[in-house]
Order: sequence, then C-alpha cells, then structure tokens
Amino acid sequence: TQLLEQSPQFLSIQEGENLTVYCNSSSVFSSLQWYRQEPGEGPVLLVTVVTGGEVKKLKRLTFQFGDARKDSSLHITAAQPGDTGLYLCAGVRGNTGKLIFGQGTTLQVKP
Amino acid sequence: GAVVSQHPSRVICKSGTSVKIECRSLDFQATTMFWYRQFPKQSLMLMATSNEGSKATYEQGVEKDKFLINHASLTLSTLTVTSAHPEDSSFYICSASGRTNYGYTFGSGTRLTVV
Repeated sequence: TQLLEQSPQFLSIQEGENLTVYCNSSSVFSSLQWYRQEPGEGPVLLVTVVTGGEVKKLKRLTFQFGDARKDSSLHITAAQPGDTGLYLCAGVRGNTGKLIFGQGTTLQVKP
Repeated sequence: GAVVSQHPSRVICKSGTSVKIECRSLDFQATTMFWYRQFPKQSLMLMATSNEGSKATYEQGVEKDKFLINHASLTLSTLTVTSAHPEDSSFYICSASGRTNYGYTFGSGTRLTVV
C-alpha cells in the first residue's frame, strides 16, 4: 500500500487553466514537502509545510497542509507551459528519517 | 545552499558488468544518504538508507548483494550495481541529509542503461 496517495497521476490542461493536485495519507506527518522534477534531473524542493492548516504561496502556486496533517494540496493558478513537469509530494516515514514519495503527478500544460 | 553532486549522469554498460555511481555532498557533512530508483513516468522509490560508517539498510524487495552501498566518509556514498541486467536500467538518484543541513538535498541523477 502506498503511504502517500497522490492524485491525479496525469493531467493535461490548456494554458491559463487552474488545477489542484492532492496528496493524501492515513498517517500523520510532522511535515510534507512538494517537489518538482524535470526529465533527467533530480527533484527540486518547492515548499515544506509544517503546521496543520498552513497555507504557503509561491507565485502562482498555493500549498495547503490539512488541519490533521494527513493531507496536502497544490493549486496552480493560470497554468503556463513552463509549469509542465512531474510534481511530487513527500513525507518522512515515522521516526526513520526516510523521505517517502507519493506516486507523482505528471502535468502537461499546452500552449 | 547545500549541494549534492552525482556522477556519472549517464552510463551505458554491458550485461554482466558492474557499475559504480558516486554521490558527494560538496558543502556539508552528509550523515545520512538515501538511494532512490525511478522508472519512466513514475515516482521515486526508496532503495536503501546509509549512515556514515555503518551498513546500509535496504527496503523490502531490494537485493543488497546486487546493489552494494558504501558510505565510508561524511561526504561520499557509492552505489554499485553488480552483474547488471537490462531490467536494472533505470534512473538512480541519491539524496543527502546532514548535521547542518536538516533537509534532503538531491543529486541530479544517473541514467543507467544496460545493453
């Protein structure tokens, strides 16, 4: 079973549209991270959310951490072709220090 | 900021040979390093965790005799894929965490192709 369930796994939209990616778990996390990965490169950290109910904004990206710290969402406003990529949520498993990833969301924004 | 260098970025090898991938923390001491494997259009799957000076801990289903991990110093961890087969072809990524860098810094990955 997947510790972090990410949805949708694939998303193809037109430039200018809005979208939301969800990351859900039955476990409580002390923090969740969101990454973006380009083909052939390592993932790059976008944000870390720590406090339940926290909302963080990064330009057109809005990240939210659920009140119970079991889920998170990423909302992109007015998507642009440059937003195309693989978006990954990740959390630390228990007290192990191991960073575990969700399945990822492949986003394609068409001009 | 923290930087992790991974080398080589691409490697092609013949079936049956071994390949070594290096992961170096350039500006911090990496007490823990993680090795991930990623198939096309899929997420990162944790293979193993290594702490400096001790044996690596492998995730369930990962063959420790096939994927040899060495973390002999605070700045270097290596992953050796032994007796490589075409099904080992994948994108391998390392990540490091340290005493002064509490986050997870990723290398740029290694594309391994076994022919």
